[in-house]
Amino acid sequence: AQSVTQLDSQVPVFEEAPVELRCNYSSSVSVYLFWYVQYPNQGLQLLLKYLSGSTLVESINGFEAEFNKSQTSFHLRKPSVHISDTAEYFCAVSPTFGNEKLTFGTGTRLTIIP
Amino acid sequence: GAVVSQHPSWVICKSGTSVKIECRSLDFQATTMFWYRQFPKQSLMLMATSNEGSKATYEQGVEKDKFLINHASLTLSTLTVTSAHPEDSSFYICSARVWSSGRNLGNEQFFGPGTRLTVL
Repeated sequence: AQSVTQLDSQVPVFEEAPVELRCNYSSSVSVYLFWYVQYPNQGLQLLLKYLSGSTLVESINGFEAEFNKSQTSFHLRKPSVHISDTAEYFCAVSPTFGNEKLTFGTGTRLTIIP
Repeated sequence: GAVVSQHPSWVICKSGTSVKIECRSLDFQATTMFWYRQFPKQSLMLMATSNEGSKATYEQGVEKDKFLINHASLTLSTLTVTSAHPEDSSFYICSARVWSSGRNLGNEQFFGPGTRLTVL
């Protein structure tokens, strides 16, 4: 079984400041890792994912996440946030084989302060 | 590509009635779809896995007779909340898994926009 921990339920950040949203996972098997973003009253949108290869993955809107196997972490970062980044962010994992279920963290609400 | 739609986007119904929610993959075939439930300010809870042409697999604690799932085609899965009660009010989200040339793209799931159900 897998579990995902997002320690920060809420993160307020001033506009144009950097941000890091933390994600740690636990799994007895190898996993794929995902970050999803949810805007108010909407479904989830994939922000970025790690499947294999380079441990640093980037999204088209400036976010990046780094897979750290030794620390079982997949923290999400952005060097300069914008008002439009205000949303709920979910970290998720799924096994690389067999059961394809996604296990989600509890989410982090990112609020950008003008 | 990989767009998933849900209908309706919101629904209000009286207690005791049944509500059907549709989930469609618009530009790809989805042999597997998932149904989630999300309570306010909480994470997604997987309710069931829907496989085309076979019975859905429900997660522990989810009543299969209350939440009927039908995956009749490769592009459509439906969730019917039977005899809905106020405690069934929630945000229901479906997702579909993408296959490419028979290979799963990293178990990635594409999510629908969700359906907000309010039972009075």
